[in-house]
Amino acid sequence: QVQLQESGPGLVKPSETLSLTCAVSGYSISSGYYWGWIRQTPGKGLEWIGSIYHSGNTYCNPSLKSRVSISVDTSKNQFSLKLNSVTAADTAVYSCARRGSGGWYFDYWGQGTLVTVSS
Amino acid sequence: DIVMTQSPDSLAVSLGERATINCKSSQSVLSSSNNKDCLGWYQQKPGQPPKLLIYWASTRESGVPDRFSGSGSGTDFTLTISSLQAEDVAVYYCQQYYSTPFTFGQGTKLEIK
Repeated sequence: QVQLQESGPGLVKPSETLSLTCAVSGYSISSGYYWGWIRQTPGKGLEWIGSIYHSGNTYCNPSLKSRVSISVDTSKNQFSLKLNSVTAADTAVYSCARRGSGGWYFDYWGQGTLVTVSS
Repeated sequence: DIVMTQSPDSLAVSLGERATINCKSSQSVLSSSNNKDCLGWYQQKPGQPPKLLIYWASTRESGVPDRFSGSGSGTDFTLTISSLQAEDVAVYYCQQYYSTPFTFGQGTKLEIK
């Protein structure tokens, strides 16, 4: 059974960098699939941030692309998100998720982690 | 960006009755490469991440009860729960994956009447 688990600070100061990691178990990232990040806020709802393949190929939401970096560590079977220059608008529940086998729907999700941007 | 608009925002249905949720995309999400609609449906219960129910507009994910069905094509789609069960109380989202950025509807809250 594929499982994803997010980890990282729950509180980030404005203008700093949000950093999260998603540990994958039950499946080797090196075997395939795109792995990505989706965030959820009461105001904007669900927002796809970006996704990465084990080769490092990445797709990102253009609205966030200038601030987002997604990387993968196949040796640890995990991938990471960095979002810089955060503001209160970046406060959200951040979830990692796997792209489905046939298309860009998301078939496995982590539980999600709340990140609050506040001084 | 493709805008996904769901209706209604909330819905109350009696146990055993049919629930219908609509989703409209601002442009067609029909893929010319495989002639399938790039539309998924998710169920989210409190404190849990979204769970994939339907993809390609009408293909049920493994393990999803057959009372859940998806229909529609082009820009108009429907999620139907044929006989509402108590455990179906949740927020439901549609998502298009025809083009990036992949976008979601605002959600429809389903409750028991």
